[in-house]
Amino acid sequence: DGGITQSPKYLFRKEGQNVTLSCEQNLNHDAMYWYRQDPGQGLRLIYYSQIVNDFQKGDIAEGYSVSREKKESFPLTVTSAQKNPTAFYLCASSQSSYEQYFGPGTRLTVT
Amino acid sequence: GQQVMQIPQYQHVQEGEDFTTYCNSSTTLSNIQWYKQRPGGHPVFLIQLVKSGEVKKQKRLTFQFGEAKKNSSLHITATQTTDVGTYFCAGSYNQGGKLIFGQGTELSVKP
Repeated sequence: DGGITQSPKYLFRKEGQNVTLSCEQNLNHDAMYWYRQDPGQGLRLIYYSQIVNDFQKGDIAEGYSVSREKKESFPLTVTSAQKNPTAFYLCASSQSSYEQYFGPGTRLTVT
Repeated sequence: GQQVMQIPQYQHVQEGEDFTTYCNSSTTLSNIQWYKQRPGGHPVFLIQLVKSGEVKKQKRLTFQFGEAKKNSSLHITATQTTDVGTYFCAGSYNQGGKLIFGQGTELSVKP
């Protein structure tokens, strides 16, 4: 059963802690993306990777970090430097410029 | 920076009424994609438009790409309760480039 998995679905952290969100795909897609979604807003691009061992900053990369050591995996770390980390985080993958397939998302709450 | 503006932000309709959402870019797009996100869910790809003036239909949904490739619209004929959700357009400014998402239009349908 092909697709994208994100875990966990809900995540709670205390302010000042780093947290890593998981994203795994078995679609054999080269490109992977991380978006942040806030209520009433569209999706904002955090980081993206078009090939293994390479990634680029999106529009709101400050306070986040990523790695792409394997084609299937693109974990996102939300660091303590991110001022407003509470949000819905979506991971996606695609092949070339075609449609993006999204995972179910992780809802992060930082208090 | 490059932006894709989408209106309206919200639309409430009676079941059976039509619905339209519009997207606009200040610069020419390479292509535009449309996604639907059900409440509590993740975005799901609907369609991609590439050619100037292109019109595509999916049952009750009609998608248009403007002649100048700067605007696009999604029209739903005779809405049903299953159409409820947020519709996003997402434009790309070069082939294989990252997507810029509009803010989305949240559609609610009263039975």
